[in-house]
Amino acid sequence: EVQLVESGGGLVQPGGSLRLSCAASGFSFSNFWMSWVRQAPGKGLEWVASTSQDESEKYHVAFVKGRFTISRDNPKNSLFLQMNSLRAEDTAMYYCVRNVGYGDFWGQGTLVTVSS
Amino acid sequence: EIVLTQSPATLSVSPGERATLSCRASQSVGTSLAWYQHKPGQPPRLLIYDASNRATGIPARFSGSGSGTDFTLTISSLEPEDFAVYYCHQRSNWLAFGGGTKVEIK
Repeated sequence: EVQLVESGGGLVQPGGSLRLSCAASGFSFSNFWMSWVRQAPGKGLEWVASTSQDESEKYHVAFVKGRFTISRDNPKNSLFLQMNSLRAEDTAMYYCVRNVGYGDFWGQGTLVTVSS
Repeated sequence: EIVLTQSPATLSVSPGERATLSCRASQSVGTSLAWYQHKPGQPPRLLIYDASNRATGIPARFSGSGSGTDFTLTISSLEPEDFAVYYCHQRSNWLAFGGGTKVEIK
């Protein structure tokens, strides 16, 4: 069974940093693109970042470029999102997503709250 | 940047009725479009990919159609568990979602 379990969310002050993690199991992690998608309170879904299987290709949406970095550790079946210079508008549920062009499996999400 | 516009924003439907949701792209995405269902407290679930293919385990009452810039998700006969928010998503250019359509009980 495919499982994606996010962790690392929490309350952080504006300007602070967080590192989100996603533990994958039930599939051959190193064979898949992976992504982070977020949903702010009362808003729709936003694609944040994606990485290819070997990290040779990475994409970050414009509003996080230079602040967020997606990475992965294939031997440990893990995906990460390093988030720096956090802003109030980054407050959201962050989902780890297996990416086959579309998000075919999603984790339950980890909540990030940016507030003083 | 491709923009996806969903309509209506809210659709009020009675159980057993048909629901038709629309997604329009600002430029052609071919058939590179998916639909997701999102319920409160749950992660989104892939329903339809490549415009018209049902994902694994998705009931036949869900169907997708369209190509180019105009797409439709049809739920043939709404079940109680189908009341949710539905998003379209394109992978043709950059990965963008539509704003969502909330399907609520009439």
